[in-house]
Amino acid sequence: GENVEQHPSTLSVQEGDSAVIKCTYSDSASNYFPWYKQELGKGPQLIIDIRSNVGEKKDQRIAVTLNKTAKHFSLHITETQPEDSAVYFCAASTPGNTPLVFGKGTRLSVIA
Amino acid sequence: NAGVMQNPRHLVRRRGQEARLRCSPMKGHSHVYWYRQLPEEGLKFMVYLQKENIIDESGMPKERFSAEFPKEGPSILRIQQVVRGDSAAYFCASSPPWTPAAAEAFFGQGTRLTVV
Repeated sequence: GENVEQHPSTLSVQEGDSAVIKCTYSDSASNYFPWYKQELGKGPQLIIDIRSNVGEKKDQRIAVTLNKTAKHFSLHITETQPEDSAVYFCAASTPGNTPLVFGKGTRLSVIA
Repeated sequence: NAGVMQNPRHLVRRRGQEARLRCSPMKGHSHVYWYRQLPEEGLKFMVYLQKENIIDESGMPKERFSAEFPKEGPSILRIQQVVRGDSAAYFCASSPPWTPAAAEAFFGQGTRLTVV
């Protein structure tokens, strides 16, 4: 089955700097790669996703890139703000409504 | 349009009791997934259901755990004879009806189960 690895497990950046979180997946049939943000005591919130037919997607300060050949995808947050501090999870799934397989998460701290 | 609703938000049970966790999917969604999250860990898939059907329960322990998604009403995750190791946050997610492409999944706020 699918296995998703996520790095780093913790990341501290200065406010205004960029943050990059990387994930690799094992199942070449996976075609959907969402990213979730989880704040303390809350459920995961979908912030951006990418499908295998595109290589990059951007939404304001957040962007995601996908390299299907290497089977890895990354989340990029620019101009980080203290409210970006949270745990971020990457995930992957195969076509249809198959369950998402999650990475172990990255705890991002943005220092003001 | 209300999101995924889970209740209760917090649940305390003594060892040996039963825990019932409820999940109402987003309007128009017919697929429900349950995940478990231990402190400082990721989300582990437990079970995937459609109305009146269990599609995939490969992540659910064989004993004491069961799930249902009846024709009417919320999905229920049931844990019988709870033990301390069942203490965790349980999240439900829902997605729209089947499409060939992978569907977005939206999560509820979770139920935090504490077994004392």
